[in-house]
Amino acid sequence: QVRLVESGGGLVKPGGSLRLSCAASGFTFSDSFMSWIRQTPGKGLEWFSYISSRSRYTNYADSVKGRFTISRDNANNSLYLQMNSLRVEDTAVYYCVRVFGSSGYYIDYWGHGTLVTVSS
Amino acid sequence: EIVLTQSPATLSLSPGERATLSCRASQSVSSDLAWYQQKPGQAPRLLIYDASKRATGIPPRFSGSGSGTAFTLTISSLEPEDFAVYFCQQRDSWPHTFGGGTNVEI
Repeated sequence: QVRLVESGGGLVKPGGSLRLSCAASGFTFSDSFMSWIRQTPGKGLEWFSYISSRSRYTNYADSVKGRFTISRDNANNSLYLQMNSLRVEDTAVYYCVRVFGSSGYYIDYWGHGTLVTVSS
Repeated sequence: EIVLTQSPATLSLSPGERATLSCRASQSVSSDLAWYQQKPGQAPRLLIYDASKRATGIPPRFSGSGSGTAFTLTISSLEPEDFAVYFCQQRDSWPHTFGGGTNVEI
């Protein structure tokens, strides 16, 4: 079955960096578009990035543009999120998700999430 | 960006009752809307996509309707496992956005 397992979350100071990883299994990773989504109790769910199957296309929400970078390694069935210049408002549970659709996406599988806390 | 407003914020019902949840978009999203269910401590699960298509394995008591700016998720007869938070999501434009959620409670 489809499995997405995130890792790399933790506590980091404002201005710091963190790299999240997602190990994918149970499907043809190299054929799938992937995304990172985050959730907070206050702001809810935020879809802030996606990457195409061969890394040709990426996109970001304004809230993270220039600070976060999504990437993937199809040989190792892995998705990554490099987060730089972290802010307190980036504190959230971060989900690795598989998406489907064309010219717009829905999410058919979610990881369990990893908590990122940005605090001094 | 497109803002999705869900109502009510909380819906208090009993098992066996019908649940009607609303999602309104700040501009037309055609039929590019999905519904997800989230239980405490779990990731969301896709229920409905393209406004009215049930995802794989979703029971027929869940149905979606609407287009443009007004959408509805209906649960025809609530089962105990249906008490959860429900979110809508649009894919019409980037960034894709979610509604704030409706908590269906006993």
